[in-house]
Amino acid sequence: DAGVTQSPTHLIKTRGQQVTLRCSPKSGHDTVSWYQQALGQGPQFIFQYYEEEERQRGNFPDRFSGHQFPNYSSELNVNALLLGDSALYLCASSLKWTPLGELFFGEGSRLTVL
Amino acid sequence: AQSVTQLGSHVSVSEGALVLLRCNYSSSVPPYLFWYVQYPNQGLQLLLKYTSAATLVKGINGFEAEFKKSETSFHLTKPSAHMSDAAEYFCAVSVSGYSTLTFGKGTMLLVSP
Repeated sequence: DAGVTQSPTHLIKTRGQQVTLRCSPKSGHDTVSWYQQALGQGPQFIFQYYEEEERQRGNFPDRFSGHQFPNYSSELNVNALLLGDSALYLCASSLKWTPLGELFFGEGSRLTVL
Repeated sequence: AQSVTQLGSHVSVSEGALVLLRCNYSSSVPPYLFWYVQYPNQGLQLLLKYTSAATLVKGINGFEAEFKKSETSFHLTKPSAHMSDAAEYFCAVSVSGYSTLTFGKGTMLLVSP
C-alpha cells in the first residue's frame, strides 16, 4: 500500500517564477493538507482540500493556491516566487470523517528559490 | 489561537539515558496534542497523540507523554535512549481535529554512544 507520494522531490526556481507541486494521498484517504516547513522551523499549515474545495486556510497570501482532483490527488501552486518561499513543502492526507485519525505525511518537495 | 513552545532546539543524551523533550501549549479550548518525529530527508511520523482520554499516552518506539493541564505541558519521555532515536521531534496542537496542526519549532535529539 503506497503512502503519500510527492513530486518533484527537489526543484530550483528563480524569483518571480511559478511552481507546481503534486501530491497523491494514501490509498483510501480523501483529504489533503499542505504544510510549509522553512529551514529550522516547524511545519506551518497552508490549506486543506476536501471534495475538490479548499476547506481551511492558514495565514498564507493568495500567491499560494491549490487544487484537488476527483481522484483525491492535489496540487500546490505558488506564483511570483520570493526568496522566502524556499522551504520543504509537505503534503499530508487523512480521512475527513475521522478527524482524530492519523495524518500521514509525504517526504516533501524541497523548493529552492534563487 | 493556539500555540506550542518547545524548550531547547537541541537535546543531547547518552545511549541508555532518559530522554525528556519539553512542550508547553497555549489554547483557549481543550486541545488535542501530538508528538511527531522527523528523520533526515523524510516526512513526519506520528509518535503519539492526546485526545482527552487518558492523560498518560503511550506511543511507538517506547515513547510516552503526559498531559498536565495545570502546567499546560505535554512533555515527551523515553526511559532509555537508543541511537536510532536521533531525529527531530515536533510537538503540535489542534483544536479542530487532526488536519490543521500548529507545530512547535522542533527539538533535535542527539544520541551519543
